[in-house]
Amino acid sequence: NAGVTQTPKFQVLKTGQSMTLQCAQDMNHEYMSWYRQDPGMGLRLIHYSVGAGITDQGEVPNGYNVSRSTTEDFPLRLLSAAPSQTSVYFCASSGRLAAMSYEQYFGPGTRLTVT
Amino acid sequence: QQQVKQSPQSLIVQKGGISIINCAYENTAFDYFPWYQQFPGKGPALLIAIRPDVSEKKEGRFTISFNKSAKQFSLHIMDSQPGDSATYFCAASWVGGATNKLIFGSGTLLAVQP
Repeated sequence: NAGVTQTPKFQVLKTGQSMTLQCAQDMNHEYMSWYRQDPGMGLRLIHYSVGAGITDQGEVPNGYNVSRSTTEDFPLRLLSAAPSQTSVYFCASSGRLAAMSYEQYFGPGTRLTVT
Repeated sequence: QQQVKQSPQSLIVQKGGISIINCAYENTAFDYFPWYQQFPGKGPALLIAIRPDVSEKKEGRFTISFNKSAKQFSLHIMDSQPGDSATYFCAASWVGGATNKLIFGSGTLLAVQP
């Protein structure tokens, strides 16, 4: 199993550009989420999904869109990049809560710089 | 509003010593409290977790102590080793609410000196 994979690893954008951060998992996990990590602030939840076709907002959703068309993939779209979106982005997945599968597995991250 | 407060921000411990990191939470609905370990350039990885029906959980050199009435929980690393040097995050979630939305503390940078 590759676990949770993220692409790209690094990205530089200019203000106003759009892009999609890719996330995929091969563990057949129902739950997937996106976090951003900023110094001194821990990780903050952007969006999450409890299954294919179902998404919802987290703590800091503004400026980001998500969709979940398959169980495996959960892309994060930046609509119009702003310098405030400079951060490290992590995707995570976990199994069924009904099976008490609470552990979230994190990908290696995407470091995004917006100039 | 920060729902999970973590302290200290940084910690220096001698090899063989005990590292202690503390967290406090506000939302009494939280029912799952994991600790994550993160090495530079890597994603966080689950270290140990506890549910509120027990007051302590131990896995090897790592122990979580949980105080439900005080809404506090802490991570103890016994016999700390240089390889434990990393950033540690506490977190909380309400898994009984049918989601797994983790609320993270701000992190503690641990350095274990040889």
